[in-house]
Amino acid sequence: EPEVTQTPSHQVTQMGQEVILRCVPISNHLYFYWYRQILGQKVEFLVSFYNNEISEKSEIFDDQFSVERPDGSNFTLKIRSTKLEDSAMYFCASSTDRNEKLFFGSGTQLSVL
Amino acid sequence: GESVGLHLPTLSVQEGDNSIINCAYSNSASDYFIWYKQESGKGPQFIIDIRSNMDKRQGQRVTVLLNKTVKHLSLQIAATQPGDSAVYFCAASRDSGTYKYIFGTGTRLKVLA
Repeated sequence: EPEVTQTPSHQVTQMGQEVILRCVPISNHLYFYWYRQILGQKVEFLVSFYNNEISEKSEIFDDQFSVERPDGSNFTLKIRSTKLEDSAMYFCASSTDRNEKLFFGSGTQLSVL
Repeated sequence: GESVGLHLPTLSVQEGDNSIINCAYSNSASDYFIWYKQESGKGPQFIIDIRSNMDKRQGQRVTVLLNKTVKHLSLQIAATQPGDSAVYFCAASRDSGTYKYIFGTGTRLKVLA
């Protein structure tokens, strides 16, 4: 069964450093998303991406965040200068269309020290 | 703002019994709902979905009920098994004006042997 894959599974970084989280969405999906989950809290929307551009972003997704689809398969989330409060599990998701089933990857646990 | 909430943080059931997990949403414009299962350290796994033109939908051992009048949905799991132990989230979206899904906090289901 097709699945969303994310790498790395764990990332530890120093505050102020840049990190890139990588995702390979399901191949025939057109809509791509990043969500995050702080330990014990809700899954929170960060950004959606369609047709090679951001379609929607949340207040969390400030200037320190960016997304890119550098080729036909990868979808990346970059945090330019990490803060302690960026520590969370980051999930990539994809869907065939908006308002359709979201399929999630296993997540990248980001720890900012 | 929009919210999706769950009534109980933890639900304990005996193996073989039926489980009912509830969720309330605030936005009457929400028209698509998904239940996810999340095991420790993993991404949300799709269980079942329902659109607002339906009141009930059944899957394998699971049923989702939607009451639009009171903005409430429930997930029923028949003959609960140890493998059902996880956190269950509901998520809501709407077809117009947004790409994001709003997630609830989650209910932890514990299956007792």
